[in-house]
Amino acid sequence: GAVVSQHPSWVICKSGTSVKIECRSLDFQATTMFWYRQFPKQSLMLMATSNEGSKATYEQGVEKDKFLINHASLTLSTLTVTSAHPEDSSFYICSASPRLAGGLETQYFGPGTRLLVL
Amino acid sequence: GESVGLHLPTLSVQEGDNSIINCAYSNSASDYFIWYKQESGKGPQFIIDIRSNMDKRQGQRVTVLLNKTVKHLSLQIAATQPGDSAVYFCAENMGSGGYNKLIFGAGTRLAVHP
Repeated sequence: GAVVSQHPSWVICKSGTSVKIECRSLDFQATTMFWYRQFPKQSLMLMATSNEGSKATYEQGVEKDKFLINHASLTLSTLTVTSAHPEDSSFYICSASPRLAGGLETQYFGPGTRLLVL
Repeated sequence: GESVGLHLPTLSVQEGDNSIINCAYSNSASDYFIWYKQESGKGPQFIIDIRSNMDKRQGQRVTVLLNKTVKHLSLQIAATQPGDSAVYFCAENMGSGGYNKLIFGAGTRLAVHP
């Protein structure tokens, strides 16, 4: 149980184009989904938190107009990198927390999406 | 605080030995901690968690110890196997009232040698 998928697993795009990454919780409903970015040999850095049906909360320094997040259902969140540039090249990972009655919720991670912007 | 490690510390162990990976967390108000394993090119995989009202929790071949006095967390892996080779991250829940916001440590690379 607690499987999270991401699509695509990797993408190469030209500078200036937009890229959409999907995150799905396959066997549970996710109250909250999170988007992280990870550069080589570094830890995961939280970009934003999205709750189903409401606007995402972005971490300091993350441009909300550049990284558009939509959490339209309890099983799907999307991250769109708009007008991507080479410095946006990174490993993007989503996570999802199951919908539980009270208590603390474990985050389960997707397999990640590697983005390369040329 | 936020993790910005540029160089992952590495723990090298012999196959069959026990491994201990340490982590110092930053917020004394953190109430939930998780250890994740990340293999190259993959997302983090949940290993074990512990709440702040506990100081020890055991899983299959893994044990997590929590010392709130010194804000220290450790992951012990018994009889380490080559498949345990990966980067291990601790994460602390910085949220309050059940709000779930994880802050990740810098990570430790575990290298298991035959």
